[in-house]
Order: sequence, then structure tokens, then C-alpha cells
Amino acid sequence: SQQGEEDPQALSIQEGENATMNCSYKTSINNLQWYRQNSGRGLVHLILIRSNEREKHSGRLRVTLDTSKKSSSLLITASRAADTASYFCATESYNDYKLSFGAGTTVTVRA
Amino acid sequence: GAGVSQSPSNKVTEKGKDVELRCDPISGHTALYWYRQSLGQGLEFLIYFQGNSAPDKSGLPSDRFSAERTGGSVSTLTIQRTQQEDSAVYLCASSFATGTSDEQYFGPGTRLTVT
Repeated sequence: SQQGEEDPQALSIQEGENATMNCSYKTSINNLQWYRQNSGRGLVHLILIRSNEREKHSGRLRVTLDTSKKSSSLLITASRAADTASYFCATESYNDYKLSFGAGTTVTVRA
Repeated sequence: GAGVSQSPSNKVTEKGKDVELRCDPISGHTALYWYRQSLGQGLEFLIYFQGNSAPDKSGLPSDRFSAERTGGSVSTLTIQRTQQEDSAVYLCASSFATGTSDEQYFGPGTRLTVT
């Protein structure tokens, strides 16, 4: 079963704009991770945020985590055409080892 | 260094035939995971290995699915008597260990089509 749910399902923006997507989950987590997938194949790890962290940055990416609301957001600033992809959040629970993925947000960046 | 590799990249098989999917993890990674992704969906966990043992097989969708890992390295996912609903992309991932918040490194996947 999927723990995370991304919102929106799809997002279309102009190059240079920011893209924000959200993830909600149901059970307590050890960490939450965001992945990118191009063309329906392999996933690339973007960023990991631990349950005791509230915000994390990596380049043009900013991730927030609100454990009281069981939600996370991924912000991509100054988007580029190369950011066009599907983005997935995945949660790792305590004493667990597998990641539970949401259905993803498909982002299209228009040139 | 080399990443996670999977073979074949694409497999088309007839309903009822058996298929074997292979995953070669990153050298030194003790944990190995298999996921399945149906069209337009997120990833569904199938099975996880720590070394050669699989502590949790609960994600396998039916007894037609099995997996093994030998020498703490290569893993094979076998699907017997394939059905059309088995069509999906099968993704393998590896990590240094488990329970340490290690990121998982994914392979490119095997796209399985059952006709």
C-alpha cells in the first residue's frame, strides 16, 4: 500500500517559475525522501529530510517537513526545461527498511 | 564507479511463460530492494534482501513471484506463469545498509510486457 500522496498530480509551469508540490503521509516516519524519475525509468535521489529536521536545501531544491501535519513540500526554484520529470516522495518508517512511495507529481516545464 | 544495473532492459513474453530479471547492485551495498511500478503509478515494494537473506517477502504479489540473492551481490527476480497484470517496470535498488537513513540507488529498471 502507498503511504505518501502527492499533490498536485500534474503541474505545468513556465521556465524560470517556481514549482511546488506537496506530500502527505499517514504513519510516523524516520525520514522522508524525494526522488525524480525521467521517462518512466530509474529514480534519482534528490534529498532526504529526517524527522527531526524542518527544512533542507540542496541547490535549487527546498524541502520542508511538518511532522505534526504529516506533510512535506518540495520547492524547485527557477525551473528549467530539464526539470521536466515525475517527482515522488517516499517515507521510511522506524524499524522499517523499505520505502513507501506516493503516486508522484508530473512536472512539465515549458520553454 | 558503476551504478545499479539491471537486465534485460526490456522483456516481452507470452502469457504463461516464466521470466527472470536480474539486478547487479553497487559493490559493497548490503541491502537490495525490488519494486514494481505499473503505468502511471508509484512504486510498489516487493522484497528486500539484507545480505543473502530476505527477512520480508510480504510484498510479493503471489506465489508465482520469487527472488534470490547469491554471494551478497546479484539478485534474480523470477516470475512464473506470467499474467498480463504482471506487465510493469521492475526496479531494483541498493543501499549500504538498512535502518540508517541511507538513500537507495536505483537501477534503470526492466520493462516487462506480457502479451
